Amino acid sequence: GENVEQHPSTLSVQEGDSAVIKCTYSDSASNYFPWYKQELGKRPQLIIDIRSNVGEKKDQRIAVTLNKTAKHFSLHITETQPEDSAVYFCAARGNDYKLSFGAGTTVTVRA
Amino acid sequence: NAGVTQTPKFQVLKTGQSMTLQCAQDMNHNSMYWYRQDPGMGLRLIYYSASEGTTDKGEVPNGYNVSRLNKREFSLRLESAAPSQTSVYFCASSELGNSNEQFFGPGTRLTVL
Repeated sequence: GENVEQHPSTLSVQEGDSAVIKCTYSDSASNYFPWYKQELGKRPQLIIDIRSNVGEKKDQRIAVTLNKTAKHFSLHITETQPEDSAVYFCAARGNDYKLSFGAGTTVTVRA
Repeated sequence: NAGVTQTPKFQVLKTGQSMTLQCAQDMNHNSMYWYRQDPGMGLRLIYYSASEGTTDKGEVPNGYNVSRLNKREFSLRLESAAPSQTSVYFCASSELGNSNEQFFGPGTRLTVL
């Protein structure tokens, strides 16, 4: 099955700086890569996703890049704000209905 | 629309007790999922139902059973709870297709003593 690895496990950034989270996946058939944000005590919520026919996607301060050859994808958050503090999960889905999640990155934005 | 709802929100069980976690969605989604979330391990798929009438094992199915009662409802049963099943359980739903967002419920925090 699919194996998704996520790094780093924790990330502390100064407010206004950028944050980058990286994930790798094992199944070359995977074709959908969502990112979820989970605030403390809340449910995971989708913040951005990318499909395998696209190399980069942006939505305001967040962007995701995908390198299919290297089987890795990354989340970039620019101009970080205190409300960006949360746990972020990457995931990958192949030719079935199952998402495989990374272990998560706890992001702390220091004021 | 309520989205995905789960009951109960919290539950404490003794080892060996049984219980059923309930999940319902009002988005007319075909696919539903049960995950468990443990510190440092992300979300792991327990069981899923691609469409009404079908269920399949995920990554960690041992000790659990599921029922897709109808299109709206997907329940998770622990027949004989063990301390290793202490976790936060999330139900999710999505439309059929490989590129569709999964919507999560609020979660059930289960402690097995």
